[in-house]
Amino acid sequence: GNSVTQMEGPVTLSEEAFLTINCTYTATGYPSLFWYVQYPGEGLQLLLKATKADDKGSNKGFEATYRKETTSFHLEKGSVQVSDSAVYFCALSDPGGNAGNMLTFGGGTRLMVKP
Amino acid sequence: GAGVSQSPSNKVTEKGKDVELRCDPISGHTALYWYRQSLGQGLEFLIYFQGNSAPDKSGLPSDRFSAERTGGSVSTLTIQRTQQEDSAVYLCASSLAAGNYEQYFGPGTRLTVT
Repeated sequence: GNSVTQMEGPVTLSEEAFLTINCTYTATGYPSLFWYVQYPGEGLQLLLKATKADDKGSNKGFEATYRKETTSFHLEKGSVQVSDSAVYFCALSDPGGNAGNMLTFGGGTRLMVKP
Repeated sequence: GAGVSQSPSNKVTEKGKDVELRCDPISGHTALYWYRQSLGQGLEFLIYFQGNSAPDKSGLPSDRFSAERTGGSVSTLTIQRTQQEDSAVYLCASSLAAGNYEQYFGPGTRLTVT
């Protein structure tokens, strides 16, 4: 079956530090890959996505590249801000099966950015 | 425009009681998904609707769980004879269709079974 593994948190960084959150996946088909973010007290929001190998998703200074050879989709940001403090979820959707592109999530990584 | 809404936002119930959780998807979205977010299991898929039908119910954790969708819009997730392990945040998401479309999530219903 499909699965997503991401680094455990919490990750604590100082403002303007470089961020990497690792994510690897296992899938039987050709999945699309996503990063979702959950800010304190809010619902899940799509941060970025990539639908095929070598695609790069980007948004709000965050980037992730779909690497089929290493089955990875690591999230990076060059300079984090306090407002980036949130829980980040890596996810995949598999177009096969009867579950209509259901999302399979990683365990989530809490990021805390200190001023 | 209006996003996905869920009600109630919080529900505390006694073990053994039945609960109903409601989801109002974004207007015009034909696909609707239920997920559960719990400390022990993370975020897990429960069930998916395309229109009013659910092609795959295998994600539901037990036969105490059921869901329906009427009129291609509102969906209700029902948990019968609740157990403490049902305590979680239940999330609903909708998308334009079942395909490579973004899923928009509601704020969730936090269920606590005492």
